[in-house]
Amino acid sequence: AQSVTQPDIHITVSEGASLELRCNYSYGATPYLFWYVQSPGQGLQLLLKYFSGDTLVQGIKGFEAEFKRSQSSFNLRKPSVHWSDAAEYFCAVGAIHSDYKLSFGAGTTVTVRA
Amino acid sequence: DGGITQSPKYLFRKEGQNVTLSCEQNLNHDAMYWYRQDPGQGLRLIYYSQIVNDFQKGDIAEGYSVSREKKESFPLTVTSAQKNPTAFYLCASSMGDPMDNEQFFGPGTRLTVL
Repeated sequence: AQSVTQPDIHITVSEGASLELRCNYSYGATPYLFWYVQSPGQGLQLLLKYFSGDTLVQGIKGFEAEFKRSQSSFNLRKPSVHWSDAAEYFCAVGAIHSDYKLSFGAGTTVTVRA
Repeated sequence: DGGITQSPKYLFRKEGQNVTLSCEQNLNHDAMYWYRQDPGQGLRLIYYSQIVNDFQKGDIAEGYSVSREKKESFPLTVTSAQKNPTAFYLCASSMGDPMDNEQFFGPGTRLTVL
């Protein structure tokens, strides 16, 4: 079965600084990998997704993520953080024949300081 | 305006009572999902439905029940058999397999059992 680990529970970053959120997955074959963002008290919104092709994926809101098979990682990055990026971020993994199931990580909360 | 509606936003119930959470979508999506979110644990799948009149158990279905009599509706009942029902509940939908079709999330219902 697939699983996801997000090692960082909470990250604080200054506005305008770069941000990197870590995600490690466990799955034998090529996974589907996702990053979602959740604003306080709200549902989740998809930022980006990877399955195959170019290992650097561009998403919405200026985010990108890089798939590294050798490290089983799919880290999310943003070059310059805005105060509105303060939220909780979830990495998720899925697979072909996983019967519509995604496995979500525990999430990383991002605080942006002025 | 297309989207997913969950009601109510906040719900309080006494221990031992069944409670039903509403989820409606007007996106014409075939698949619908219920997730439970607890602090520090990410999202866990309770039930999902790939098509009307059909549904499957997710990873934590015990103490929950669902129905899918209409394409646009997927209500979740939290029964008295659920040992720890206090949580944030998220409903989602997708056109088809979430590996290839984006999951859209509702705003959630926060259930507190007193």
